[in-house]
Amino acid sequence: TQLLEQSPQFLSIQEGENLTVYCNSSSVFSSLQWYRQEPGEGPVLLVTVVTGGEVKKLKRLTFQFGDARKDSSLHITAAQPGDTGLYLCAGPNSGGSNYKLTFGKGTLLTVNP
Amino acid sequence: ETGVTQSPTHLIKTRGQQVTLRCSSQSGHNTVSWYQQALGQGPQFIFQYYREEENGRGNFPPRFSGLQFPNYSSELNVNALELDDSALYLCASSLALDASGELFFGEGSRLTVL
Repeated sequence: TQLLEQSPQFLSIQEGENLTVYCNSSSVFSSLQWYRQEPGEGPVLLVTVVTGGEVKKLKRLTFQFGDARKDSSLHITAAQPGDTGLYLCAGPNSGGSNYKLTFGKGTLLTVNP
Repeated sequence: ETGVTQSPTHLIKTRGQQVTLRCSSQSGHNTVSWYQQALGQGPQFIFQYYREEENGRGNFPPRFSGLQFPNYSSELNVNALELDDSALYLCASSLALDASGELFFGEGSRLTVL
């Protein structure tokens, strides 16, 4: 069974601060996806990382995929209240069950004005 | 907005009852997946349908069943509801069977079982 562990589980910061959240596994993933889920909404895809060591930037968000493709991080620069939400990492299962995503439990981020 | 709609948005049932949740996928997406998200947890895969056939199933009992229709709509049915079935149920449509492609999630149906 492939598991994804996210840390921290909860994070409350002030507007303008920087933060990093982590997604770790003992298994290799062919790719990892990051989603943001706001209250009362479904998850929305932010980015997919595919290559070990890959770094992708989306405005103030920087995503990195570990060299061994077992971990990923999300760094937010100068956080804003609009960044508040549940950040989920997810990866497709390997082998014959690659039709399903395994999700971590998420990091609940609150950015206070 | 993802173009995926779900209904109802909220509902309350009692233990032992049956429930049907509905999803309308993006036009052209032949694949729909259903996920259960319990409070404080990440979504868990229930099953996937492709062109009206079940393509894969997660670790959920047979009382969880689904249907997919040619008009890009689908249903999740849960029989003999249990308290632990209380959760947000998400459907996600996609072009590809492979989950490495982008999934477009609906807003979910929040089910409370009393």
